[in-house]
Amino acid sequence: QSALTQPASVSGSPGQSITISCTGGASDIATYNLVSWYQQYPGKAPKVLIYEVNKRPSGVSNRFSGSKSGNTASLTISGLQAEDEGDYYCCSYAGNSWIFGGGTKLTVL
Amino acid sequence: EVQLVESGGGLIQPGGSLRLSCAASGFTVSNNYMAWVRQAPGKGLEWVSTIYAGGRTYHADSLKGRVTISRDNSQNTVYLQVNSLRVEDTAIYYCARLSGSISLDFDLWGQGTLVTVSS
Repeated sequence: QSALTQPASVSGSPGQSITISCTGGASDIATYNLVSWYQQYPGKAPKVLIYEVNKRPSGVSNRFSGSKSGNTASLTISGLQAEDEGDYYCCSYAGNSWIFGGGTKLTVL
Repeated sequence: EVQLVESGGGLIQPGGSLRLSCAASGFTVSNNYMAWVRQAPGKGLEWVSTIYAGGRTYHADSLKGRVTISRDNSQNTVYLQVNSLRVEDTAIYYCARLSGSISLDFDLWGQGTLVTVSS
């Protein structure tokens, strides 16, 4: 099972919107509506931002949104803030297994 | 407080074995799906193993045959046994709870325990 494909890095200025893509295959993203997204700061554990493609846990800002089309999922962050700088990972259920993306480093300029 | 606390990491020689522990509080592990996810230094997240509430276990193909996930309901603790350790197993090992049998996202994470495999 190969890792899902994410861009290594993205950047944006405060107030702008950015989108991080996550491309998988026929046995993961394309098959299951079970894509989740995680935010990780250096030295910290990941935190879930989005689950089931586009649902937000309680307490997560509505600036974070998710979507999926075919075998590609996307995370959009609107109204970028300095605190959004960090690493972002997508994850898909793949039938009794889970596959993560390689991670995307977000830089807020 | 709902939390996960891992322990058991350290410096291990190649070929050795270790057992990591994940003590849960604020909820019952046997009623939840529990997992281990690891992260090599400077690298991304990698799913390792999951134990379902009913007891079924699943492991990543890359580690199959070398890892075992288990739980002790009386201790409310989940374990990960890793055998025949390799240098490439060096990583922070996180314990995580899956949010349910439907959503299957990792909604609670521990702080992680560092495993270093080196001679």
